[in-house]
Amino acid sequence: AQKITQTQPGMFVQEKEAVTLDCTYDTSDQSYGLFWYKQPSSGEMIFLIYQGSYDEQNATEGRYSLNFQKARKSANLVISASQLGDSAMYFCAMRERTGRRALTFGSGTRLQVQP
Amino acid sequence: DTGVSQDPRHKITKRGQNVTFRCDPISEHNRLYWYRQTLGQGPEFLTYFQNEAQLEKSRLLSDRFSAERPKGSFSTLEIQRTEQGDSAMYLCASSYTGPNYEQYFGPGTRLTVT
Repeated sequence: AQKITQTQPGMFVQEKEAVTLDCTYDTSDQSYGLFWYKQPSSGEMIFLIYQGSYDEQNATEGRYSLNFQKARKSANLVISASQLGDSAMYFCAMRERTGRRALTFGSGTRLQVQP
Repeated sequence: DTGVSQDPRHKITKRGQNVTFRCDPISEHNRLYWYRQTLGQGPEFLTYFQNEAQLEKSRLLSDRFSAERPKGSFSTLEIQRTEQGDSAMYLCASSYTGPNYEQYFGPGTRLTVT
């Protein structure tokens, strides 16, 4: 069963505007972590932000914030004030505490920032 | 901190040949992971090590694949008798032990099997 679902294959946003990338997940674990990574055309995966399942506050890192809704099992990434350099693939990933130690990734969303 | 490095960055090989990739993790990290990424998909887990012990292998890791981390530092991933379906990006990542630690990825090795 797919554990991470990213329903937006591609998104467009105007420079300086905010954009939300969707991510839903499925797990029976009570303890887990959610991660977002950026993959530019160069191919390297760049860690952006982390949210633990027991964290009460939504995670924020600079222009990135994670809209975590535990009951809905969603962990959407919000990028504020988009920049041209934000154009890339974005992957949501999950790591369960009792399950596999590796990350399970979604299929990704390609974000294109337009000037 | 020099980050995770992988070598080679690109490899073109003929079907049936063996290939070996190397990953050097961040030195303080005791966990090392291998993933495979095909075009248009997210990375898929292959295997991971804690220090020199290989603790988990995905069912994607067929008998033709073998990975080692002999001294708990660098790791190698070998593919024997390559097939065209092995063409992919092979990503290595490392992290501290613990579920909350992010994994840092290397630049990947792109394998093309002709």
